[in-house]
Amino acid sequence: EDQVTQSPEALRLQEGESSSLNCSYTVSGLRGLFWYRQDPGKGPEFLFTLYSAGEEKEKERLKATLTKKESFLHITAPKPEDSATYLCAVSVDSGYSTLTFGKGTMLLVSP
Amino acid sequence: GAVVSQHPSWVICKSGTSVKIECRSLDFQATTMFWYRQFPKQSLMLMATSNEGSKATYEQGVEKDKFLINHASLTLSTLTVTSAHPEDSSFYICSAGGTGTLSNQPQHFGDGTRLSIL
Repeated sequence: EDQVTQSPEALRLQEGESSSLNCSYTVSGLRGLFWYRQDPGKGPEFLFTLYSAGEEKEKERLKATLTKKESFLHITAPKPEDSATYLCAVSVDSGYSTLTFGKGTMLLVSP
Repeated sequence: GAVVSQHPSWVICKSGTSVKIECRSLDFQATTMFWYRQFPKQSLMLMATSNEGSKATYEQGVEKDKFLINHASLTLSTLTVTSAHPEDSSFYICSAGGTGTLSNQPQHFGDGTRLSIL
C-alpha cells in the first residue's frame, strides 16, 4: 500500500528562521511527487512537481528536493505570509493519476 | 495556471436534504475530475474519479448511491450528496488535470465546499 508521511505535524518559526519540512514515501513506481500549499478554508494550491531523485525546484523562498525515499521542502527566511499547511502527495504508475496525500505540516511564522 | 471553480463555497442545510456541488474547469477541458473529502486537521481523501460521459469510479468505502457524480461535459462535474445527515458534514474539494492529455500537468483544485448538516 502506498504511504506518505509528513513531519513535523506542526512547526512554529520566527520570521527569518529557515527550516525544512519532510515528506517520506513508500510507493511502488513513483510517477511524481507534488507539493501543495493549503490556506484555511481553501483548496490546495500547487507549488512543485518532482519526478526523479536528485531533482530540485525553487520558487521564491521555497525549494523542493527529492531522493528515492523522501522529499524536503526548504523554507528560507520565511515571512508570516508563508503560514499555511503544506501538503505532499504522490502519484504512481497506474491507469489513473490519482494522488495519495500526506497529512500535511501546519506552518506558523510569527513576526 | 489552470483554474478550477467550485460552487457553492458554503452550504448549511437540514438533515435529509440533498445538496449539489458544482466543479468547473475554466480554462481547459477535463475528461477526468476528482472529488475529495477533508475532515478537520486531516488530509484529503479521494472519494471518486469522475469520468466525462461515463460512470464515476468510487474508492473503497464510499457509497455511490449516497454521493452521486455526474460529469456531463468536459468542463463540469457535479457531486450530489443525497439525503444528507450530520455525519456527511465535511469539506468537499474537486480537482482537475493530471490525466490523459493533461498527464504532464499537476492536479489543480477548487476552493472547496464547506457542507454543514444540521
